[in-house]
Amino acid sequence: AQSVTQLGSHVSVSEGALVLLRCNYSSSVPPYLFWYVQYPNQGLQLLLKYTSAATLVKGINGFEAEFKKSETSFHLTKPSAHMSDAAEYFCAVSGTYGQNFVFGPGTRLSVLP
Amino acid sequence: DTAVSQTPKYLVTQMGNDKSIKCEQNLGHDTMYWYKQDSKKFLKIMFSYNNKELIINETVPNRFSPKSPDKAHLNLHINSLELGDSAVYFCASSPRDRRRGYTFGSGTRLTVV
Repeated sequence: AQSVTQLGSHVSVSEGALVLLRCNYSSSVPPYLFWYVQYPNQGLQLLLKYTSAATLVKGINGFEAEFKKSETSFHLTKPSAHMSDAAEYFCAVSGTYGQNFVFGPGTRLSVLP
Repeated sequence: DTAVSQTPKYLVTQMGNDKSIKCEQNLGHDTMYWYKQDSKKFLKIMFSYNNKELIINETVPNRFSPKSPDKAHLNLHINSLELGDSAVYFCASSPRDRRRGYTFGSGTRLTVV
């Protein structure tokens, strides 16, 4: 079975500062890992995904994430936050064949001017 | 063209009523899902359908029933609505290759009064 934890339900950063959103997973099989973003009153949009290829994954809007098996982590980063990055971010994990897709509880990112 | 579309976007109804939410995808995906997002933004899978076969049925009340007339549609019927059913409901779909991730609709905000 798979599970996901996201440290920090709410993260605030200043505009231009580094964004770091934490995700740790538990999986009994090699996992697939995903980050989704949800802007206010909208659906979820796929930011990036790890599917056993390169461990450093680049996504849309300047975000990237690094898969670290030894730490069972898949943290999301962006070098410089923009006001438009304010949203809810969800980490998700599935089994090797996409089964048992599970979302983390989400982290709300606020960007301060 | 909208990939996964849900209607209605907002739904306000009284307790005890029966309502339906429709979902359609034009991506050619073979699996569709319904998720419930509560007030704390937590996402919980309710159902999934693969080629008209229910393959996931989490512990949701039997007042909720998915209906899939064809591969491109998965509707959600809710009988005898209760206050606790108020939430945002998301439809999603995925291809056979789950490494590509899920595509979500924009959500239906259900308010039971």
